[in-house]
Amino acid sequence: EPEVTQTPSHQVTQMGQEVILRCVPISNHLYFYWYRQILGQKVEFLVSFYNNEISEKSEIFDDQFSVERPDGSNFTLKIRSTKLEDSAMYFCASSEGDRDQETQYFGPGTRLLVL
Amino acid sequence: AQSVTQLDSHVSVSEGTPVLLRCNYSSSYSPSLFWYVQHPNKGLQLLLKYTSAATLVKGINGFEAEFKKSETSFHLTKPSAHMSDAAEYFCVVSDENYGGATNKLIFGTGTLLAVQP
Repeated sequence: EPEVTQTPSHQVTQMGQEVILRCVPISNHLYFYWYRQILGQKVEFLVSFYNNEISEKSEIFDDQFSVERPDGSNFTLKIRSTKLEDSAMYFCASSEGDRDQETQYFGPGTRLLVL
Repeated sequence: AQSVTQLDSHVSVSEGTPVLLRCNYSSSYSPSLFWYVQHPNKGLQLLLKYTSAATLVKGINGFEAEFKKSETSFHLTKPSAHMSDAAEYFCVVSDENYGGATNKLIFGTGTLLAVQP
């Protein structure tokens, strides 16, 4: 069964460093998303992406964040200068498109720890 | 604005007994609702979804949920709990963003299900 994959599974970085989290969505999906879950808190929406542009972003998704689909398979989230409060589990998700846009399939997540 | 409320942060059942995880939603329109499960140190797995077809929705692993508009509820049930059901369960509503191209998901706070032997 097709699935969303994410790399790395864990990332430890120093405050102020740049990190890139990578995702490979399900191959025929057209809509892509990033969510995060700070330890002990709700899963929160960060950004959605469709047709090579951001469709919607939350207030969390400030200028320190960016997303990119550099080729036909990868979808990346970049944090330019990490802060301690960026420590969280980051989930990538994708959904199919016209037939079923709403059902989102999630990857296993990347646990980011900022020291 | 859409939201979901999960009434119990923790539920503990004995193996073989029924499971009930409660969720109430708030939505201006007929919502699309989902239950996702997160096992320890794992990602989010889709259990089931409601998208205005049948009000009783069957999902994976014997779970089902019933959409009740009069009660604005979408409770998750399973007749007989198994040890492997121990996980965190999230009730989720799809945001009604008819002006945009994508629908973000809005998560509840989660219910941690413990299954006792």
